[in-house]
Amino acid sequence: DVKVTQSSRYLVKRTGEKVFLECVQDMDHENMFWYRQDPGLGLRLIYFSYDVKMKEKGDIPEGYSVSREKKERFSLILESASTNQTSMYLCASNHPSGAYNEQFFGPGTRLTVL
Amino acid sequence: AQTVTQSQPEMSVQEAETVTLSCTYDTSESNYYLFWYKQPPSRQMILVIRQEAYKQQNATENRFSVNFQKAAKSFSLKISDSQLGDTAMYFCASHTGTASKLTFGTGTRLQVTL
Repeated sequence: DVKVTQSSRYLVKRTGEKVFLECVQDMDHENMFWYRQDPGLGLRLIYFSYDVKMKEKGDIPEGYSVSREKKERFSLILESASTNQTSMYLCASNHPSGAYNEQFFGPGTRLTVL
Repeated sequence: AQTVTQSQPEMSVQEAETVTLSCTYDTSESNYYLFWYKQPPSRQMILVIRQEAYKQQNATENRFSVNFQKAAKSFSLKISDSQLGDTAMYFCASHTGTASKLTFGTGTRLQVTL
């Protein structure tokens, strides 16, 4: 089974802190994604990566950056956390041509910025 | 840009009954895929069912089936014989051929009651 793990289920940070959210997948997927989930807004794509060191902005990249140094790991970075970044963050991965492009999701990190 | 609309923020159904969740989408692509994902409370998002746009036949997975109306750009999910374990957020999503990205709707929270 595909497994996507995220480093923390819950995280509390202070305004202005630099925050790292880590995601690891074990299925050798090329594509990895970071979403933000907010009530009434659904899932919105922040960034995605289609290969090591390759990245592309999603719909809401402002205030975020990403890093992909190894194929299995995709990090989301909040350079200076703000209260409006309090949210649930979901990581996902897939193979570009596999299984109708189904994405496999991690359990999510609920981030609170105080 | 693609859009996916779920007009029912919340729904409730009694155990063993049938419920239909609505989804409409807008895309200019000729070939695309549509998905329903399920997010149980505090658990990972999983794929429920998927449909390829060029296939006329509606997809079915056990108690889950879709009503795909291509001309109307409608993709509803029918859950038959509802079970308590079907309680979850359900997200409709669309995908086109470029870059494996998904566009999600805002979700429908389904509560199955005794």
